[in-house]
Amino acid sequence: GQQLNQSPQSMFIQEGEDVSMNCTSSSIFNTWLWYKQDPGEGPVLLIALYKAGELTSNGRLTAQFGITRKDSFLNISASIPSDVGIYFCAGQLVNNAGNMLTFGGGTRLMVKP
Amino acid sequence: DAGVIQSPRHEVTEMGQEVTLRCKPISGHDYLFWYRQTMMRGLELLIYFNNNVPIDDSGMPEDRFSAKMPNASFSTLKIQPSEPRDSAVYFCASSFGDEQFFGPGTRLTVL
Repeated sequence: GQQLNQSPQSMFIQEGEDVSMNCTSSSIFNTWLWYKQDPGEGPVLLIALYKAGELTSNGRLTAQFGITRKDSFLNISASIPSDVGIYFCAGQLVNNAGNMLTFGGGTRLMVKP
Repeated sequence: DAGVIQSPRHEVTEMGQEVTLRCKPISGHDYLFWYRQTMMRGLELLIYFNNNVPIDDSGMPEDRFSAKMPNASFSTLKIQPSEPRDSAVYFCASSFGDEQFFGPGTRLTVL
């Protein structure tokens, strides 16, 4: 079953606004990944985080690996219409036997021009 | 590299028919994953392989589903017989390390 709680489930914002979404879990993760899925396409990796406390930026995107290793957030600054899509967090559990990822339920982002 | 390649992109079939989905992972990747995505259940891991060997198939819904990886550059997911509730988008992903790279998916509709 789902071990990652991702919120919010959906957001409808005005172009230019900043966006924040997060994932939390009761389990400890070794790795946090953030993906974006455009309509009709597969998820594309945006940012990967490997150390507790790590803060990483990729253009207008910023993501952090929580100190407790049980959470992560993704921020998008100055949103534009092409940011529309579904954003997924994914993590690799500490006791993971292989390279399996646990996915959050996704945040659907809609941007009004 | 062309990325993960999946075929077909769309499949429409009738209930009871056999469906075969195909995947070519990124060259050099040693893990391959099959996922199913629906509105109700989100992304579900069905099965994954390491070095062509199935490691965990606990996500496969039932015996109607089977997956093979005969070599490092090819995998199939087969549904026989298909049912309307199998309608979903099926993704293949591959990795070498923690970062998984997804294909474009196959949208399956079972009538």
